[in-house]
Amino acid sequence: KAGVTQTPRYLIKTRGQQVTLSCSPISGHRSVSWYQQTPGQGLQFLFEYFSETQRNKGNFPGRFSGRQFSNSRSEMNVSTLELGDSALYLCASSTGTGNGEAFFGQGTRLTVV
Amino acid sequence: GDSVTQMEGPVTLSEEAFLTINCTYTATGYPSLFWYVQYPGEGLQLLLKATKADDKGSNKGFEATYRKETTSFHLEKGSVQVSDSAVYFCALPSLNNAGNMLTFGGGTRLMVKP
Repeated sequence: KAGVTQTPRYLIKTRGQQVTLSCSPISGHRSVSWYQQTPGQGLQFLFEYFSETQRNKGNFPGRFSGRQFSNSRSEMNVSTLELGDSALYLCASSTGTGNGEAFFGQGTRLTVV
Repeated sequence: GDSVTQMEGPVTLSEEAFLTINCTYTATGYPSLFWYVQYPGEGLQLLLKATKADDKGSNKGFEATYRKETTSFHLEKGSVQVSDSAVYFCALPSLNNAGNMLTFGGGTRLMVKP
């Protein structure tokens, strides 16, 4: 059974640009969550999508958005990039029900210069 | 709201030493509890879990017991190896809404020296 796949693994962008990250969940999983990991703030929840609908949202500005497709794949977009957006972005896949257990991808390392 | 507190690292141990990483939580109800591990340059891997009070989760020699009375879920291993060097995160799922959101502790970096 394939795991969670995130692409790309690494990205370098310039301030003011926008970026799109992709996540393919485990087959059969309908929930995809996104987290931002930085040395200063640790792991912070961005949002969760379940059956193509945003079900939960963390405390991030509107520059951070996402969507989910009918095959459960999800994309996350960050517009007008800032230096502080440099982070490891992690995607988590789960059934969306049950005990909350989630499986993570390897992450996308975004560097904003 | 829900919160998780972990002991700060780094924790530096010699090979074969005993490991304890403390984790306490504040939550509504009695959620499942998880330990995740992150190796350098990687994402998070689920290490072990416990779904109800007094449950003991175990995997790869690591253990943690869900203690409702002390709201704790401390991670232990009897004999660590160099390959256990990683960052460990305690986490709980939010039960305050219909969704799937994990609240993480700050992470504890473990360094094991040969």
